[in-house]
Amino acid sequence: DVKVTQSSRYLVKRTGEKVFLECVQDMDHENMFWYRQDPGLGLRLIYFSYDVKMKEKGDIPEGYSVSREKKERFSLILESASTNQTSMYLCASNAGQAGAYEQYFGPGTRLTVT
Amino acid sequence: ELKVEQNPLFLSMQEGKNYTIYCNYSTTSDRLYWYRQDPGKSLESLFVLLSNGAVKQEGRLMASLDTKARLSTLHITAAVHDLSATYFCAGRGLYGGATNKLIFGTGTLLAVQP
Repeated sequence: DVKVTQSSRYLVKRTGEKVFLECVQDMDHENMFWYRQDPGLGLRLIYFSYDVKMKEKGDIPEGYSVSREKKERFSLILESASTNQTSMYLCASNAGQAGAYEQYFGPGTRLTVT
Repeated sequence: ELKVEQNPLFLSMQEGKNYTIYCNYSTTSDRLYWYRQDPGKSLESLFVLLSNGAVKQEGRLMASLDTKARLSTLHITAAVHDLSATYFCAGRGLYGGATNKLIFGTGTLLAVQP
């Protein structure tokens, strides 16, 4: 079974803090993704990576950065958290071309910024 | 750019009834995914539809794809409470090379009442 894990299920941070969300997959997948999920907006892609040290902006990259130093790990960084970044964050991974195959999702991190 | 619209956004139905969720997409997409999300949980892959006329069934759920009409449907037969969840469809955005990605609809919240 593919397993995608995320470092925290729930996180509460203060405005202006630097926040790290970690994602690890165990299936040697080339591609990894970070989404945020908000009611009425569905899932929106923040960033994705198709190889170690490679990254591409998604639809809403502003206020976020990412890091992929090892194939199995993809980190999402909020440089200075703001209240409008309160959301559910989902990590996913897949093999092959980024959109060609089904993506496997982690359990999600619900981030609250106060 | 690919846009994916689902309707309805919310569906309350009685056990034993049939209903259909619709997923329209705006430009060419060569595959369509359906995911399920239980409250507080992550997304679970249900179906992948790869060609025009494709039909897949599992239990009380049946998904189909009409690429000419740019429409996919998820049909629920004789609903049971266990099917209560949010259902997402997603299409592949064709950006070329390794940068294509999945575009998600806003989701349909299905509540099956006894």
